[in-house]
Amino acid sequence: KAGVTQTPRYLIKTRGQQVTLSCSPISGHRSVSWYQQTPGQGLQFLFEYFSETQRNKGNFPGRFSGRQFSNSRSEMNVSTLELGDSALYLCASSPGSGAQETQYFGPGTRLLVL
Amino acid sequence: GNSVTQMEGPVTLSEEAFLTINCTYTATGYPSLFWYVQYPGEGLQLLLKATKADDKGSNKGFEATYRKETTSFHLEKGSVQVSDSAVYFCALSLFTGGFKTIFGAGTRLFVKA
Repeated sequence: KAGVTQTPRYLIKTRGQQVTLSCSPISGHRSVSWYQQTPGQGLQFLFEYFSETQRNKGNFPGRFSGRQFSNSRSEMNVSTLELGDSALYLCASSPGSGAQETQYFGPGTRLLVL
Repeated sequence: GNSVTQMEGPVTLSEEAFLTINCTYTATGYPSLFWYVQYPGEGLQLLLKATKADDKGSNKGFEATYRKETTSFHLEKGSVQVSDSAVYFCALSLFTGGFKTIFGAGTRLFVKA
């Protein structure tokens, strides 16, 4: 099976712009979660989608949003970018039925905000 | 609230040394516990997991036991190799209507030849 893929791998934006990141889960996986990784804050949970519905979300401002399509592919959007949004954004997929499941991570999108 | 605390690094060991990375957690409900590893420039990979109290997860010589009484999930390996150099993350997952995974801060391990 192909792994989780994320596009683009690298992105440079300026403050005030918006950005959309994409994640394609492993075939058959219906849950997609997004995480932000920074040196200062570590790995922080953004949100989780299952069957096109957001089931859970972390403590991020409304500038961070996401969606999931019927084929389970997911996108996250960050509007009005700030310097502090520079980070590695990771998505992870799993079948979606319980906490005992292993999440499979993509390689991440590295976002730099100038 | 839910949280994971793991020992700060970096940890520097010589090849064939014994490794312990401490991890404790606070959680409501009954979490599953995981250790993930991140090699330079890569995403996270599952190292091992345990889904209930007293379960032992093991993989590639690493092992960890889910201790509910001490709320701990310490990672151990009897003899580390240079190739084990990476960042190790302890994590808990909860399912309360939706998935949520909480990660520890990560512990960087350097193994010298």
